[in-house]
Amino acid sequence: AQSVTQPDIHITVSEGASLELRCNYSYGATPYLFWYVQSPGQGLQLLLKYFSGDTLVQGIKGFEAEFKRSQSSFNLRKPSVHWSDAAEYFCAVGATGCTSYGKLTFGQGTILTVHP
Amino acid sequence: NAGVTQTPKFRVLKTGQSMTLLCAQDMNHEYMYWYRQDPGMGLRLIHYSVGEGTTAKGEVPDGYNVSRLKKQNFLLGLESAAPSQTSVYFCASIKREYGTQYFGPGTRLLVL
Repeated sequence: AQSVTQPDIHITVSEGASLELRCNYSYGATPYLFWYVQSPGQGLQLLLKYFSGDTLVQGIKGFEAEFKRSQSSFNLRKPSVHWSDAAEYFCAVGATGCTSYGKLTFGQGTILTVHP
Repeated sequence: NAGVTQTPKFRVLKTGQSMTLLCAQDMNHEYMYWYRQDPGMGLRLIHYSVGEGTTAKGEVPDGYNVSRLKKQNFLLGLESAAPSQTSVYFCASIKREYGTQYFGPGTRLLVL
């Protein structure tokens, strides 16, 4: 069974600073990988996803993530954080294969606080 | 196009009461999911459906039942609510496997 670990429960950065949120996964093969963002009281919104191909994936709102097979990681980055990026971020993995049915396993989430 | 909607938005139950949460999507999606979200645990899959009339267990199915009688609706039932079921419940749907999951706004449930 797959699993996801987000080592950082809470990260604080200053507005304009760079950001990296860590995500490590456990799966026997290369999984499908996702990053979602959740604003307080809201549902989840997809930032980006990786299925195959180029290991650097561009998403919405200026985010990108890099898949590193050797490290089983899929870290999320943004070069310059805006105050509106304050939210909770979830990494998720999906099993490959015909019986996976699109099911996702989520990490515990990382809360991002942005200081002015 | 409303996307994914959930009813109700908030509910308080007493232990032992029953209730049904409704998820509706107007995007003609095949796959639908129910998750629960608890602090520090991310989202965990309760049940899912790969089409009208089909349902399957997810990671944490105990205490819940589901039905998908119509393609656009996915119902989550609690037959006898317990305090451990206090959580925020999210519904999601996708058109095909590993398409973008569209999430509803959530239902906050408090069981006393």
